[in-house]
Amino acid sequence: GQNIDQPTEMTATEGAIVQINCTYQTSGFNGLFWYQQHAGEAPTFLSYNVLDGLEEKGRFSSFLSRSKGYSYLLLKELQMKDSASYLCAVSPSGAGNMLTFGGGTRLMVKP
Amino acid sequence: GAVVSQHPSWVICKSGTSVKIECRSLDFQATTMFWYRQFPKQSLMLMATSNEGSKATYEQGVEKDKFLINHASLTLSTLTVTSAHPEDSSFYICSATRPVSRDTQYFGPGTRLTVL
Repeated sequence: GQNIDQPTEMTATEGAIVQINCTYQTSGFNGLFWYQQHAGEAPTFLSYNVLDGLEEKGRFSSFLSRSKGYSYLLLKELQMKDSASYLCAVSPSGAGNMLTFGGGTRLMVKP
Repeated sequence: GAVVSQHPSWVICKSGTSVKIECRSLDFQATTMFWYRQFPKQSLMLMATSNEGSKATYEQGVEKDKFLINHASLTLSTLTVTSAHPEDSSFYICSATRPVSRDTQYFGPGTRLTVL
């Protein structure tokens, strides 16, 4: 089966750094995605990791450890507009382009 | 590039009626399209995977006779909710993948369905 865990909610302060963790247990692994979703809107792609290590893209970075079944999304210099849900999704191997999503982490950025 | 549209963006219907939702890839030909359902404060739940010209593959627990999927072309997939009931009220989101894009799914803006 597929199991993806991430915290339900997090709160952080504007200008700070926040790390959102994701652990997974899936039947095979073909990559891990992070998406951002604002309330009432569709998810937007943030990052993709298939090899171990850190991928940096502006204020957002994503890390993957395949041996530990672990990833995190790091958000720097938080802005109020970063308040959203962050979805961790795994592509199991042999499943084509199918994704299995975690429950999402609702991040609230406070002034 | 990689723009996906959905129509309508919201719909309200009476119980027992059918509702059709369209998903279009505007600037690329989609290898595969996916249909998700999302209830308030919950994550996306995959309903079915749709490939052009073939029958959709439904996830366990999703009734294929209730949620009809037609993938007529490489740029259009439709989801028809038949005999809708209030419990079908949800946010329906489609996504599409391109032949070469690291398996990234591009999501449509979603359709909010409310069944009275």
